[in-house]
Amino acid sequence: DQQVKQNSPSLSVQEGRISILNCDYTNSMFDYFLWYKKYPAEGPTFLISISSIKDKNEDGRFTVFLNKSAKHLSLHIVPSQPGDSAVYFCAARNWGQGGKLIFGQGTELSVKP
Amino acid sequence: EAGVVQSPRYKIIEKKQPVAFWCNPISGHNTLYWYLQNLGQGPELLIRYENEEAVDDSQLPKDRFSAERLKGVDSTLKIQPAELGDSAVYLCASSSNQGDTQYFGPGTRLTVL
Repeated sequence: DQQVKQNSPSLSVQEGRISILNCDYTNSMFDYFLWYKKYPAEGPTFLISISSIKDKNEDGRFTVFLNKSAKHLSLHIVPSQPGDSAVYFCAARNWGQGGKLIFGQGTELSVKP
Repeated sequence: EAGVVQSPRYKIIEKKQPVAFWCNPISGHNTLYWYLQNLGQGPELLIRYENEEAVDDSQLPKDRFSAERLKGVDSTLKIQPAELGDSAVYLCASSSNQGDTQYFGPGTRLTVL
């Protein structure tokens, strides 16, 4: 039972353009969503998060959008830079389960110069 | 501030051998997590500690896996005996308290031959 899904295993974008990474979830009890970024041979690094009571959160070039009715969230990176090339994981938290994070499978983003 | 420290970074063992991983969380973080990450998948929670207490070990295969967090700081995850299917990256994360943002270490890549 995959509660958090990232259906695109990879994405390739030209430098300077927008990158859009998508994530779908099934559990309506999730109250908080996060995006982590992972470089090879490193652990995931927290990038940005959004509470379920909001529909948008912005931090510099990164914006996360949440559509609760569709159980869908997306991460927008504008403009994309070659250093953004990494694997991006979407994660969801259920406060009722002690803050346990459920991760998606990840999407590998490649930003071409 | 130092991040989450894990050792060893890489470990290669033969099946049926024991193996142990060590984690030192961020100073002052009360909550510690051990995750398993298989190739092409997101991290999956194995066990969560609040200080010295294991409060969620429902996903830990207790026939061969064990963990401890003596004194509520460092933690050790052990596998005995290791099986071929245990080959994966073992990630440690910590957070100030339950539900707060989790910060990950670089992980230990285990290869079982």
